[in-house]
Amino acid sequence: AQSVDQPDAHVTLSEGASLELRCSYSYSAAPYLFWYVQYPGQSLQFLLKYITGDTVVKGTKGFEAEFRKSNSSFNLKKSPAHWSDSAKYFCALEGRGNYKYVFGAGTRLKVIA
Amino acid sequence: DPKIIQKPKYLVAVTGSEKILICEQYLGHNAMYWYRQSAKKPLEFMFSYSYQKLMDNQTASSRFQPQSSKKNHLDLQITALKPDDSATYFCASSHNRESDTLYFGAGTRLSVL
Repeated sequence: AQSVDQPDAHVTLSEGASLELRCSYSYSAAPYLFWYVQYPGQSLQFLLKYITGDTVVKGTKGFEAEFRKSNSSFNLKKSPAHWSDSAKYFCALEGRGNYKYVFGAGTRLKVIA
Repeated sequence: DPKIIQKPKYLVAVTGSEKILICEQYLGHNAMYWYRQSAKKPLEFMFSYSYQKLMDNQTASSRFQPQSSKKNHLDLQITALKPDDSATYFCASSHNRESDTLYFGAGTRLSVL
C-alpha cells in the first residue's frame, strides 16, 4: 500500500517569511513524488516532481522540494513567501510501475501581507 | 484557453437521478483520469484510462461508469445519485501513465439534493 501524509492542515505565516510544507510518504519502493497547488476556486496546478537523481528539485513559482529517503519526506519550500502563495497545496505519490497516484489531504497555506 | 474542458461547471441533481459529466482534453495526451474532491475526503482517485482502455478502477460502486468515445474524451456517467455523491469531480490527463504530470480540468461541482 502507498500513502501520503500532510500533517499540517493549515499553515499561516507572514509575507517575507520562509515557508516549508511537510509531506511524508509510505511506499515500499522508490516513489515518484509531486506537489500541486490549488488556488481558491481553481483547479490543481503542477508545481514540481521528483523522479530520480538530484534530491532537490526546483519547480514553478519559485518553489523547491527536497526528497529525503532517510525519513520518507518530500517537503516543499519557498523563501520568501508572498501573499499570492496563499492556496491549498497537495503532495502526491505515484508508485513506480503500479501507476497509482495518491494525494495527501492537503495543507491550506495563508500568507498574511 | 483551457486545454481540458469539463462540462457543466455546476450541476444540481435530485436523489435517484442520473447525470453525465463531460471531459475533453486538447493536450494530445494518452491517459485520462477522474478524481473526486469533497469536504469529507482528500482528492480521491476514481478511474484511469490509457489509449481509451480502462486501466484502473478504484471506485467501489458500479453507479459510476466512465465512457470514452474518443481518445481525448472521458465522460463520467453517474446513476442513482445519492447526496453523498455531492463533490467536485475533476478530470485530468497526462501524456503517459508513468511518472507524468497530471493536468486538471476546472472541475464539475455536483450537488445532489
